[in-house]
Amino acid sequence: GDSVTQMEGPVTLSEEAFLTINCTYTATGYPSLFWYVQYPGEGLQLLLKATKADDKGSNKGFEATYRKETTSFHLEKGSVQVSDSAVYFCALKTGNQFYFGTGTSLTVIP
Amino acid sequence: NAGVTQTPKFQVLKTGQSMTLQCAQDMNHEYMSWYRQDPGMGLRLIHYSVGAGITDQGEVPNGYNVSRSTTEDFPLRLLSAAPSQTSVYFCASSYSTVGTYEQYFGPGTRLTVT
Repeated sequence: GDSVTQMEGPVTLSEEAFLTINCTYTATGYPSLFWYVQYPGEGLQLLLKATKADDKGSNKGFEATYRKETTSFHLEKGSVQVSDSAVYFCALKTGNQFYFGTGTSLTVIP
Repeated sequence: NAGVTQTPKFQVLKTGQSMTLQCAQDMNHEYMSWYRQDPGMGLRLIHYSVGAGITDQGEVPNGYNVSRSTTEDFPLRLLSAAPSQTSVYFCASSYSTVGTYEQYFGPGTRLTVT
């Protein structure tokens, strides 16, 4: 069945470091891909999305490119801030259902 | 515009008790869904609805019932609570299932079953 696999956490980085969180997917058809972010005690919020191959989603300095050939949608940010500390979820949508990865916890230290 | 609201925020149940988690949205969204979030498991879909009167099962539906009598409300019923249902529950809504509309999430309900 359809699924998402993302890198295990937790990830700890110093402020201004480069961030990559890996995400790969398995899906029939042509899914849409998403990154969601969850801050402590809150629900998930959409960070960015891509709807077809080679699309790049971007928001708040984060980017991810939909790579059909490698079935990947890795999240990157060039310079993280303390305020980026959160849990990040990769997700895909096929038909009427969304499938989420297990989440990657990021802590950014000053 | 309150978005997606959930009540209660916290709940403790004894094994065998039943209860209803409430979810409401004021965005006139067609699609609503319930997830549970467990450590190391991410979010797993319990049930979803593509419109009033239409519901379907997700990945982990056993032990839960839903109904959708109005566009706004999508309650989740636990029929006979079990410790395995201890989790954080999120309700979400989306404008439509067609296309790539994002889901909007509620703040969650933390449920403990003893």
